[in-house]
Amino acid sequence: DAGITQSPRYKITETGRQVTLMCHQTWSHSYMFWYRQDLGHGLRLIYYSAAADITDKGEVPDGYVVSRSKTENFPLTLESATRSQTSVYFCASRAGVRYEQYFGPGTRLTVT
Amino acid sequence: GENVEQHPSTLSVQEGDSAVIKCTYSDSASNYFPWYKQELGKRPQLIIDIRSNVGEKKDQRIAVTLNKTAKHFSLHITETQPEDSAVYFCAASIQSNTGFQKLVFGTGTRLLVSP
Repeated sequence: DAGITQSPRYKITETGRQVTLMCHQTWSHSYMFWYRQDLGHGLRLIYYSAAADITDKGEVPDGYVVSRSKTENFPLTLESATRSQTSVYFCASRAGVRYEQYFGPGTRLTVT
Repeated sequence: GENVEQHPSTLSVQEGDSAVIKCTYSDSASNYFPWYKQELGKRPQLIIDIRSNVGEKKDQRIAVTLNKTAKHFSLHITETQPEDSAVYFCAASIQSNTGFQKLVFGTGTRLLVSP
């Protein structure tokens, strides 16, 4: 579990501000994911990445931007935060050809 | 579309009883079905998974069964203990139109085991 970390763990920001959530993994996993978790919705995929410089949209990508210049890092940016983006954000990773997916500890984001 | 339904949303049992959580999926091409346990304030943790070439898998008190024809799979916990109390999520693999395998999650079951 220590192989995937997220920062910050808690963040409060104001509507309209840009905020970046960081995700770092030490397993050299090819695939990385961002989910948001909201009551009644389970875990919904925001963006995913199959390798460095390869990213694609998930179920709920609007308002978010990702990049992956290095295999180990997968930052998620909210370009102009809205109250509806208040949520718990989980990063996850998995090795290339296997399906086991492991989650980071999460970031609780509050947009006021 | 891609959909995983999970029932019940809450489940209360007495310690020592069995608990069963059920999920159905819509994509007949799904071939991997993991279950995650999430304790309050913690990350989801993989507890067991099953692939489509297997009908049942067991790990101590936990078992998962898969019925590909009916497109449903279930988590069975026997001899429940208070530490089993958590939210459990099922998931099914879905192939996107770019060929990428991703997981679609159910909405979770809150299991409460009373001493």
